[in-house]
Order: sequence, then structure tokens, then C-alpha cells
Amino acid sequence: KAGVTQTPRYLIKTRGQQVTLSCSPISGHRSVSWYQQTPGQGLQFLFEYFSETQRNKGNFPGRFSGRQFSNSRSEMNVSTLELGDSALYLCASSLGLAGADEQYFGPGTRLTVT
Amino acid sequence: AQSVSQHNHHVILSEAASLELGCNYSYGGTVNLFWYVQYPGQHLQLLLKYFSGDPLVKGIKGFEAEFIKSKFSFNLRKPSVQWSDTAEYFCAVSNYGGATNKLIFGTGTLLAVQP
Repeated sequence: KAGVTQTPRYLIKTRGQQVTLSCSPISGHRSVSWYQQTPGQGLQFLFEYFSETQRNKGNFPGRFSGRQFSNSRSEMNVSTLELGDSALYLCASSLGLAGADEQYFGPGTRLTVT
Repeated sequence: AQSVSQHNHHVILSEAASLELGCNYSYGGTVNLFWYVQYPGQHLQLLLKYFSGDPLVKGIKGFEAEFIKSKFSFNLRKPSVQWSDTAEYFCAVSNYGGATNKLIFGTGTLLAVQP
């Protein structure tokens, strides 16, 4: 069974630009969650989608948005990039809701904002 | 606000030493509890989880954790660590069934085991 895949793996953008990250969950998984990982901050929850509906949202500004498609694939968009957005963005999928089921993580997308 | 605290940010142990990593949370009510691990160069993966029942849960690779409801804690333990346990460990908590059902992670504990 293929794992969670994320594209691209690495990305370099400049301040003010926007970026879209993609996540393909494990086949059959309906929940996709996104996290921002930075040294010392751990994993900060961005949002969770389940069956195309946003179920939960973390404490991030409105520049961070996401969506989920009917095939459960998910995209995350960050507009007007800031230097502080440089981080590893992780996607995780699960059969059920993230808080009630084991999550399977992808390798992440390393975003560098210059 | 809901939070998860991991008090040890960096832990260095020698092989065969015993390990205990602390995790405390601030939720009230029913919680689901997880420990995830990230080995060098690998994806985050589930180590163990607690939903209900016996508060002492066993996970992979000889790890166990004990849920103490009165202390809002879910500490991870291993009686004898190996060099291969070098990794970053994350505690995560959700108030499943609560208003938000968010899964919140702690900031992680970096464990280095010296051979």
C-alpha cells in the first residue's frame, strides 16, 4: 500500500509570493491533516479535512488555507509569504478523524522563504 | 487554551539506561492520547496510543506509557534504551468528542542514546 505522498519535497520562494502544496493520502483514508514543523515549536496544527469538509482549524492567519478534493487529495495554500513561514509542512492521513485514529505522515515539504 | 507540554526538550542517555519522557496536557474531559516518534531521516510514525481501558499501554519496540488521569499525564517509558532509539518523540492529545476534537502535539523531546 503506497504511503502518504507530498509534492513538492522542496520549495524556495520569496516574500510576498504564494505557494501551493499537495498531499495524496493513503488510499481509503478520508482525513487529511496539515502541520507546520519548526525547530523548538514541534508540530503546530494547521487544519484537518474530512470528506472534503474542514473539520478543524489551528491558530494560523487567514493567509493559510486548504481544501480537499473528492478523491481525498488535499492542497494547502499560503499567500503573501513571510520569512517566518519557512518550515517543514507535514501532511498526515487517517481512516477516521485525526484525534481518534492513527495518523500516517508524509515526508513533508520543506519551504524556504527568502 | 488546550495545550500539551513536554518538559524535556533534550535527553541524553547511555545504552541500557531507563527512559521516562514526560507529557502533560490541559484538556478536561475525555481524551485520546498518542506518542509519535521520528527516527532520523524517517517519517513520523505512531509509537503507541491510549483511547480507553487499561491505563498502561504497550507500543512498538518495548515502549510503554501510563495514563494518569488525576495528573493529566501520559508519560512514555522504556526500561532499557538502545542506540537505535535515538529519535524525536512527540506526545499528542485530542479531546475526542469535545467541541473541537483537535489533535494537538507537544513540542517534542529529542533523545540521543550514546553507545
